[in-house]
Amino acid sequence: LAKTTQPISMDSYEGQEVNITCSHNNIATNDYITWYQQFPSQGPRFIIQGYKTKVTNEVASLFIPADRKSSTLSLPRVSLSDTAVYYCLVGDRAKAAGNKLTFGGGTRVLVKP
Amino acid sequence: KAGVTQTPRYLIKTRGQQVTLSCSPISGHRSVSWYQQTPGQGLQFLFEYFSETQRNKGNFPGRFSGRQFSNSRSEMNVSTLELGDSALYLCASSLDGARSYGYTFGSGTRLTVV
Repeated sequence: LAKTTQPISMDSYEGQEVNITCSHNNIATNDYITWYQQFPSQGPRFIIQGYKTKVTNEVASLFIPADRKSSTLSLPRVSLSDTAVYYCLVGDRAKAAGNKLTFGGGTRVLVKP
Repeated sequence: KAGVTQTPRYLIKTRGQQVTLSCSPISGHRSVSWYQQTPGQGLQFLFEYFSETQRNKGNFPGRFSGRQFSNSRSEMNVSTLELGDSALYLCASSLDGARSYGYTFGSGTRLTVV
């Protein structure tokens, strides 16, 4: 599984857009990029997944450049409830074996009023 | 539809004892994975079960074991508890982990070993 590097923490204010960039220089051809969100004392929650270019859902957007060596999770107009740890994961979702998610340290996002 | 249910939510055990944690996956999900989360080590994969068979295992000692029943419910057992086993234990389910990264996690069981 490709190793990922994310900033340890980020601060923002309510209403702003938060962009978290994840580096994954050794991403393989079959690898997908997935982001999870975790609140204290809860399990991670799947946010978004993508392979290339841009993916958007009701909560976030994921931007992936052509070389796929990095990706950016964009959270539009954050609120206090978006304060959480965000994890970037990279792996081959079609592999039959190795169905383990490898979580890095994540990015602790603090949204201030 | 009901989410992933883990019981109990909180547990306090004494060093040397054993503990069993339970996980009920989302209906229809056949893959159940277990993770340990600690402040020092973060989220670490324990093992994954699919159709009652352990399909993958992380780097944990043999004191950590699990099983899955025919209804996909899973249990995790830790024997001879150590202080370092204090952690949040999370269970995740998916239709088939091999085909998707869309895992759904439970809220976890907070285990404290004293």
